[in-house]
Formats: sequence, C-alpha cells, structure tokens
Amino acid sequence: GAGVSQSPSNKVTEKGKDVELRCDPISGHTALYWYRQRLGQGLEFLIYFQGNSAPDKSGLPSDRFSAERTGESVSTLTIQRTQQEDSAVYLCASSSPGGFYEQFFGPGTRLTVL
Amino acid sequence: AQSVTQLGSHVSVSEGALVLLRCNYSSSVPPYLFWYVQYPNQGLQLLLKYTSAATLVKGINGFEAEFKKSETSFHLTKPSAHMSDAAEYFCAVSGGGADGLTFGKGTHLIIQP
Repeated sequence: GAGVSQSPSNKVTEKGKDVELRCDPISGHTALYWYRQRLGQGLEFLIYFQGNSAPDKSGLPSDRFSAERTGESVSTLTIQRTQQEDSAVYLCASSSPGGFYEQFFGPGTRLTVL
Repeated sequence: AQSVTQLGSHVSVSEGALVLLRCNYSSSVPPYLFWYVQYPNQGLQLLLKYTSAATLVKGINGFEAEFKKSETSFHLTKPSAHMSDAAEYFCAVSGGGADGLTFGKGTHLIIQP
C-alpha cells in the first residue's frame, strides 16, 4: 500500500518568507509526527497529532512554527518568517495503535533558507 | 520519560566483518525499542523492533538485536558487513503510547572495502 508522502521534496526560500510543508500519512493511521533533522544531526521532535488534536506541542522551536491536521488525514507544518537556522530536512511519520505505535516515515522535505 | 544513548557517532568496519552498534536506553515503563536505518537523502526505514516478546529480534537485511534488561541495552549486530550497509542508524525507545519515539543521536556506519 501507499506509504507516507511529503511535499515538496525540496524547498528553497528566502529569509523572511513563509513556507508550508505537507504530509500525507498512511490511511488509517491515527497518530502523526513531525521531526526536524539538521545536517549531520539526529531527529528533533517537533509535534505530534492524535487524530486532529495536538496534545504535545512542546517541541516546536518558536512561535514561528505551527502545525495543523485535518481529521486523521493530511497535516501541514507552517514556518513563518523563515530564518537560515530553519534549514533542515523535515520528516513526517505516522503510526497506529495496532503496531505498538511503530512509526512509518516519509522521505522528508529538504528546506533551504537563503 | 525515556532516553537513548548511542555510543559512537561513527563506526567503521571492514566488509565481511562483524557490525556492532551500541544502544542503551532508560525508561520509566517497560520499553518498546526500535532500530531505524537512514540511507543518504532518504527517510527512515524500520530495521527491527522489540515489543516484549522474544528478547532476540531479527530484522531485515541480516540485522538482529538483543534486548538485555539488566544492562538496559539493545545493541544492533550483523555477522558480516556489506558495502550496502553504509548508512545512518538510529535507536529509538517508546513507552508504548502515541506520544512517539525518543531517538538517539545516530551512528554513522562506514564500510571499508
């Protein structure tokens, strides 16, 4: 079946612009996660959704970051007034209770802020 | 709360040699443990997982890991390294809830010919 998809795969933007990153989870997966991976670094947890609510927003780096999810479907991560330190790969994952919440990852969006 | 420590940010082995990537965890609840692999410019792929069944877990591509509660470890091994194993490997722990995984910082595996 289809895996987690993310778009765009690459995004180059100018400092100060807003960007929107999209994640389509595996159908039926109730939980959805966003991570940030800076060059050569591990995964930094940003936010997770259970259904369309976000019980834990503690990982969002600043108030320039926001995320929403429509039902148990698509999620968007928005970064306002981008800064150069926002440059990273943004990974999305989804999971369901039946698999011990094993997370299935998308290919990521590589964001470059010039 | 959970945490993961991966010893060695870079590990280099010769092709055909044993691969050993170390992972130690801490968890306030019985843990579920995972190893993921990330090839260049790709997302993460699950190698194997421990979910409180057998302590020796076999995964894809010839990898396996053993859960040792007394040592709070979940080291990843492969008897004979292949060039295609060169990648970044992440160990992760979960308390079993939907609040997600806690990842280690990753180990970059280098295979020398």
